[in-house]
Amino acid sequence: DAKTTQPPSMDCAEGRAANLPCNHSTISGNEYVYWYRQIHSQGPQYIIHGLKNNETNEMASLIITEDRKSSTLILPHATLRDTAVYYCIVRRPSGGYQKVTFGTGTKLQVIP
Amino acid sequence: DVKVTQSSRYLVKRTGEKVFLECVQDMDHENMFWYRQDPGLGLRLIYFSYDVKMKEKGDIPEGYSVSREKKERFSLILESASTNQTSMYLCASSPRTVYSNQPQHFGDGTRLSIL
Repeated sequence: DAKTTQPPSMDCAEGRAANLPCNHSTISGNEYVYWYRQIHSQGPQYIIHGLKNNETNEMASLIITEDRKSSTLILPHATLRDTAVYYCIVRRPSGGYQKVTFGTGTKLQVIP
Repeated sequence: DVKVTQSSRYLVKRTGEKVFLECVQDMDHENMFWYRQDPGLGLRLIYFSYDVKMKEKGDIPEGYSVSREKKERFSLILESASTNQTSMYLCASSPRTVYSNQPQHFGDGTRLSIL
């Protein structure tokens, strides 16, 4: 799986959009981009994933560049409960098992 | 929504005890996984199962075993607990299809302390 690079930390004002970048310059054509987050002392929470088109769900939007070498997770109106470590991972589809491996992620601090 | 439920959030056991961690998912997923998460080491896969009574070793199976008697339930067993098994244990599940891009969904974790 392709390696990802994320900034170690970011701050965001409450109510503003949080834009979290991820670089995956070695991504292969069939690899998907996934985002998870982990709030302190809880399990990882799946947020969103995509292949090449932009995706949106009730939690966030995922913007993938045309060359697919980077992506941005957007939390449109950040709240204090969005304070967490956000992980971007790249994985290829598999018929069954494929383990999840997180990098160091981005620690997002939402400020009142 | 997918729900993965782990039986305990916090657990304290003694060295040498046999410890059972239970995980239940309500989405009829074929695949289930057990990980441990430690500071600086990230997520490490212990065991996974792709069907009832089927299991495969992950990266760090030593000292652990698993049981999957029903599709919705996957148990992790520490045969004789040791202090180096103090960790956060995470269960996850995902559907299994021929060409699957579906994500794994995690439970809230069990923080296990071995004294």
